Amino acid sequence: DSGVTQTPKHLITATGQRVTLRCSPRSGDLSVYWYQQSLDQGLQFLIQYYNGEERAKGNILERFSAQQFPDLHSELNLSSLELGDSALYFCASSPRLDRDRTGANVLTFGAGSRLTVL
Amino acid sequence: SQQGEEDPQALSIQEGENATMNCSYKTSINNLQWYRQNSGRGLVHLILIRSNEREKHSGRLRVTLDTSKKSSSLLITASRAADTASYFCATGSTGGGNKLTFGTGTQLKVEL
Repeated sequence: DSGVTQTPKHLITATGQRVTLRCSPRSGDLSVYWYQQSLDQGLQFLIQYYNGEERAKGNILERFSAQQFPDLHSELNLSSLELGDSALYFCASSPRLDRDRTGANVLTFGAGSRLTVL
Repeated sequence: SQQGEEDPQALSIQEGENATMNCSYKTSINNLQWYRQNSGRGLVHLILIRSNEREKHSGRLRVTLDTSKKSSSLLITASRAADTASYFCATGSTGGGNKLTFGTGTQLKVEL
């Protein structure tokens, strides 16, 4: 158990639907990252939050949105789902924004949420 | 987009042999990390090497970094069946919130 909790573990839904993935970071970690892993795209960075604020944005579609709440848990909302959105979605957390100003943040990953869009 | 590309894509060795994986990246970095992923599971951090370091060891792991060639290698010595997993390099920078950009991964299979 890494300390990062993701729910649900598995989710099967239909095209056009909307789902919410939830992440609780490791105790004490302030930063949350979302990644999407699919066979054809590999591991893609989606978005990062630090202490409730968006800090970095990656290849996140406009149909996707996320937020980090005051208790530091985060949610990733995926809407108007398409077949191509089927993937493993990982949440990761890290302690501080910039540990020593060299960008050396070590990420702790959750077990992932496997989304299947039919 | 992928910052790093691992080579080879897949590697199959016998238990006890050494496994070497290479990572090439495109832009300047401040640090490079290696992560391991068991099938369908979350990634686990293995080791971090900073841009001013050339080599680092951790147990059976040895990482090298050549910033002039924009490449890194991960050596696993005396491999075990339990080392079977995918291995990813990840590069970090100070810009953009310190996100990590992951490579394409090497699938390592260690056979008994």
